[in-house]
Order: sequence, then C-alpha cells, then structure tokens
Amino acid sequence: SQQGEEDPQALSIQEGENATMNCSYKTSINNLQWYRQNSGRGLVHLILIRSNEREKHSGRLRVTLDTSKKSSSLLITASRAADTASYFCATDPFGQAAGNKLTFGGGTRVLVKP
Amino acid sequence: ETGVTQTPRHLVMGMTNKKSLKCEQHLGHNAMYWYKQSAKKPLELMFVYNFKEQTENNSVPSRFSPECPNSSHLFLHLHTLQPEDSALYLCASSPGLTIYFGEGSWLTVV
Repeated sequence: SQQGEEDPQALSIQEGENATMNCSYKTSINNLQWYRQNSGRGLVHLILIRSNEREKHSGRLRVTLDTSKKSSSLLITASRAADTASYFCATDPFGQAAGNKLTFGGGTRVLVKP
Repeated sequence: ETGVTQTPRHLVMGMTNKKSLKCEQHLGHNAMYWYKQSAKKPLELMFVYNFKEQTENNSVPSRFSPECPNSSHLFLHLHTLQPEDSALYLCASSPGLTIYFGEGSWLTVV
C-alpha cells in the first residue's frame, strides 16, 4: 500500500478561509514534502520538512510534522481561488538515497470558491 | 516553466504501435525519473536514473523501456501497450532532495 495517505480526499472552502489537510505515513522518513498539482499539469514542490523539524512556514503555507504519530499537516491560510489544485504529500524513506524513492500519497483536491 | 520539458504533450496510440516519450532538463540535475499518474490511483514511480545509470525499476512491465543517453535526456519507449496503460506520464529531475516535474505527456491507448 502507499506510504503517504492524505485526508480528506477533497475539500471545498470559500476564498479567505483556511484549508487544512493531513498526511499519514507508515515507515521512518528522512523528510516529508508537499507538492501541488494544477489540473492536468505537473507537480510543483511547495515545502520540505526534515524529520528533526516540527514546523515550517513558507508564505501562506504552514507545515507540521509529528514523527511519533507519523503524520503531517499542511495549512493554507487566507486561501485564494488560485489555490484550487490537488495537494500531495511525499515521503523520503529513511535509509534510501535522498530523493530516489520519494513516494506520493493519493492527494487532497482543494476547491476554493470565489 | 520548471526546466523539465516533455514531448509530446498528448499522444494517442494503438496497441500495436511503437512510440516514444521524450524528456529534457536543463537544470544540471543528475537524477531523472519517470512517474505514471492514473485516474484514482496514487502517483507511481516507474524508473530512476542517477548519472545515466538506472537505479530503480519499480516492477514495470517490459512494454515500457526507458533510455537515458545522458544526464539531460530521458526517453520512455512504448511498445504493445494496453488500454489500462492510458495515463499521464510525468518526467522529473532532481538535484537531491526535491523533485522538479515536467508538465507530463497524456497517453491514450486505443
């Protein structure tokens, strides 16, 4: 089964609201990454959090990591219609060459209504 | 633009055809990847190349044949595919930790 699983699978919010999505994984990791994919396009890297970090910020994005629970969350604050996309977590398994076995979850589809 | 260019963007092929997908990156990365993205399934890693050498084959059927002639180019040769192989095929490159994806090649097998 897949390493990372996002929850919820889909999320619909109004512009200006916050969007929160979660990712759970199974094995120890070097780092966890979040990517974004606009419909039918390639994925774009958003943020990376290392296994020894608990929280990280980038603009309107806030990522947390709880290695004891093997979970991460991505918060998008003050959402905009342009944030409509699918968001994926990806885990870099501990013990593997960095980036070589990055495993993606099924994604959370976020719809931001104007 | 991510610096990873894939061609063609769309491809329709019959099950007896032979076609190839091409990927090119000008980022100076030494790792390149092929991923498959099907409807309602997670993104699947297919192949990994490091310094032109294949380091990962994720149990991909032999009807998919990758080729990496140099660190900037990656091909996926397609032969006698099945309709269930219809998907978005994503090429990517990496300098180490993060992955840079191309826009993908939409493949439809008829």
